[in-house]
Amino acid sequence: QITLKESGPTLVNPTQTLTLTCTFSGFSLDSGGMGVVWVRQPPGKALEWLALIYWDDDKRYSPSLKTRLTITKDTSKNQVVLTMANMDPEDTARYYCARRGSVNWYDPWGQGILVTVSS
Amino acid sequence: QSVLTQTPSVSAAPGQKVTISCSGSDFNIGKNYVSWYQQFPGTAPKLIIHDNDKRPSGIPDRFSGSKSGTSATLGITGLQTGDEADYYCATWDNSLSAGVFGGGTKLTVL
Repeated sequence: QITLKESGPTLVNPTQTLTLTCTFSGFSLDSGGMGVVWVRQPPGKALEWLALIYWDDDKRYSPSLKTRLTITKDTSKNQVVLTMANMDPEDTARYYCARRGSVNWYDPWGQGILVTVSS
Repeated sequence: QSVLTQTPSVSAAPGQKVTISCSGSDFNIGKNYVSWYQQFPGTAPKLIIHDNDKRPSGIPDRFSGSKSGTSATLGITGLQTGDEADYYCATWDNSLSAGVFGGGTKLTVL
């Protein structure tokens, strides 16, 4: 069974850096073709693709957020970490991680973590 | 403004069929596989179609997917009240070198 779970702060101040951890089980990020993606969803709004890290440590970022995002992996811990700098109230959203399938589909997803940006 | 365009809402009666469209470009849908996700309020999205038209294990054959050119379509037959949810399409965009989602379609089963 494959599972993923997001963890991190649920409240951050504006201008701070957000660090979220995705801890997964049931698959290895060492396996060819594997990847983990981060997606967010502001309250009442659509899904927004953020970043993806592949098994070979190749990384892709949303162009609109690229300057603020960093994605890394720790294969030994089965974790993927996303950092987002200079947080703004508009970054308030539920942040999800998911396993990337062989041709850019995402399954399964974690339960998500609601991050509120407010002073 | 999403890269992929979806109709914001659709509705149909129980037992009927509905289609949800997803429009893109040659940079995304035209060159890459499309996947579809179902999301109930307060829950994480769930993959229901991948590689344009393939259903993961456990997804009923009432759900189908297709792609033509730069558009993709999700079809749901034999609508049930339990199908009421938001549906999102997704694919890869070669010009952005990033994944993209549609704006979502809210399905109401009247």
